[in-house]
Amino acid sequence: SYELTQPPSVSVAPGETARMTCEGEYIGHQSVHWYQQKPGQAPVMIIYYDADRPSGIPERFSGSNSENTATLTISRVEAGDEADYYCQVWDRLGDQNVFGTGTRVTVL
Amino acid sequence: EVQLVDSGGGLVHPGGSLRLSCAASGFNFFNYWMNWVRQAPGKGLEWVANIKDDGSERYFVDSVKGRFIISRDNAKNSLYLQMNRLSVEDTAVYYCVRTASVGSTTGAFDMWGQGTMVTVSS
Repeated sequence: SYELTQPPSVSVAPGETARMTCEGEYIGHQSVHWYQQKPGQAPVMIIYYDADRPSGIPERFSGSNSENTATLTISRVEAGDEADYYCQVWDRLGDQNVFGTGTRVTVL
Repeated sequence: EVQLVDSGGGLVHPGGSLRLSCAASGFNFFNYWMNWVRQAPGKGLEWVANIKDDGSERYFVDSVKGRFIISRDNAKNSLYLQMNRLSVEDTAVYYCVRTASVGSTTGAFDMWGQGTMVTVSS
């Protein structure tokens, strides 16, 4: 089955830039979506179709996707960005949705 | 108000069954693929199943194939998950989730229910 690998954790100081990857075979040929989940809450979509941002999501959040790696970037990190982040794709070959392993962002 | 409300969770013994429900409101439910996503305590997200807008197609994660059934009633704006032969590994919060793009299964998950807890334990 298709797998998406994310680093378990990323630490960043306030005001700095956080980057987290989502690695999967030929992921660059798929549409990648990203979610933010804070403790005790349901996930929230923050990036869809690789780089689009839903209304209400700050411009500080951006996404890219190429070859075998998709990347979520958070610029000018704030304390409120501390959360778990997941990537997700629809695996066409397996007819299944797949989530990445998740990255916990800690704001120092 | 546009929302999804999950219900039906609870405590069940291994080998037992449970039926989850999701009530949708505020949007044209019949236009969207719908999903169930679960999250075991302290773990990541796992997609469980989805169903096409008209109910004609269904897909499942391998671990629940043959045990779980996803269905919908567009007249009642409702989504269901019938879970059979439950095991302790099925213990999780289960979320009802909408796929964003009308008529598409590749879209993002833009709307989530609040989740309902399923605990499988003896």
